[in-house]
Amino acid sequence: DIQMTQSPSSLSASVGDRIIITCRASQAIGTWLAWYQLKPGKAPKALIFAASRLQTGVPGRFSGSGFGTDFTLTIAGLQPEDFATYFCQQYGDYPLTFGPGTKVDVK
Amino acid sequence: QVQLQESGPGLVKPSETLSLTCNVSAYSITSAPYWGWIRQPPGKGLEWIGNIYEDGNTHYNPSLKSRVTISVDTSKNHFSLKLASVTAADTAVYFCAKYEDAFDIWGLGTMVTVSS
Repeated sequence: DIQMTQSPSSLSASVGDRIIITCRASQAIGTWLAWYQLKPGKAPKALIFAASRLQTGVPGRFSGSGFGTDFTLTIAGLQPEDFATYFCQQYGDYPLTFGPGTKVDVK
Repeated sequence: QVQLQESGPGLVKPSETLSLTCNVSAYSITSAPYWGWIRQPPGKGLEWIGNIYEDGNTHYNPSLKSRVTISVDTSKNHFSLKLASVTAADTAVYFCAKYEDAFDIWGLGTMVTVSS
């Protein structure tokens, strides 16, 4: 199985901040990498697929990059609605696997 | 707007079978390449359970494969999950999702507790 790790596991930030979350795969997955946002009581929201492509309707302050084993999610100009937990997921090989998550809360 | 909604019992007894349905609205279930189930135990991360493809083929997580069945009913525009011989470790929020560009649309999720 491809193991996914994320760092940091949590971070505190303020509205307007630029934050970067890192995701690493235990083996190369090309750009078969997605990012999701989870909030309690809400349907998870898909943010990015193919490492860097924004899902329809996702604001441009979200961006993704990376290839192979190392990936990043950047939020440029954090908004109040962005405080949430973020997960990466690889879909380059079965079984599909997720990172452990990064919780973004208010500083 | 595509919507997915999970339904099923919120409480299942140990050793019994968990059964959930994902109802898809405003979208034909035959139009997407795959549909999937994912779960999140309390306080933990996300675990992929399995996918079903438009042709009915399935892919399951090996850790659950012996207990999982995913099926699709195109006449009802829904797909289903059955997880047999459940234990307390199967307590989780269960999500269904459409899989086209990764899991691009998710349901709200439904909490299932395994307890006697």
